[in-house]
Amino acid sequence: GESVGLHLPTLSVQEGDNSIINCAYSNSASDYFIWYKQESGKGPQFIIDIRSNMDKRQGQRVTVLLNKTVKHLSLQIAATQPGDSAVYFCADYTNYGQNFVFGPGTRLSVLP
Amino acid sequence: DTEVTQTPKHLVMGMTNKKSLKCEQHMGHRAMYWYKQKAKKPPELMFVYSYEKLSINESVPSRFSPECPNSSLLNLHLHALQPEDSALYLCASSPMGNTEAFFGQGTRLTVV
Repeated sequence: GESVGLHLPTLSVQEGDNSIINCAYSNSASDYFIWYKQESGKGPQFIIDIRSNMDKRQGQRVTVLLNKTVKHLSLQIAATQPGDSAVYFCADYTNYGQNFVFGPGTRLSVLP
Repeated sequence: DTEVTQTPKHLVMGMTNKKSLKCEQHMGHRAMYWYKQKAKKPPELMFVYSYEKLSINESVPSRFSPECPNSSLLNLHLHALQPEDSALYLCASSPMGNTEAFFGQGTRLTVV
């Protein structure tokens, strides 16, 4: 079956450093991917997305990289700030599934 | 306006009660979703509505009954729930299936 997973459940980084959060997916038919940030007690917040015909997309302080060969997705956060502390989920979408499947999540902690 | 509004924010109900969760969006999105999220877990899909029609039911027990009265509203009717149904219930919407999905803040449901 399709699944989206993460290599690390927790990640701690120093304030100001760059963060890299990884995600592995198994469904080669996945054609659209989203990264979400979820703070405690809140719903997931859209960060950035990427389609399968791209390998890189940049936003404000965030970059998503997609490697379809190894079915790997990553989220890079530049100059990590305390406000970036949250759980980050990747999610993938397939047209036949018609829904977003979430990975297990990575908790990012930013150390002062 | 990229807001998905869910009410109530918190709900405590007994196992014999009937209650409803409400979700509203005014972005003209035609796909709407209900997800269930347990603590420290990723959101899990329950239902998908596409153009106001139920397109996916992920084998959800019949004590959960979705309803889409119009293109802006999505309800989840609850009846005879069990304590294990306690969770954060999230609503999301997207313009079409494979486009960015925006989540509400969720309803924190406790079944006693």
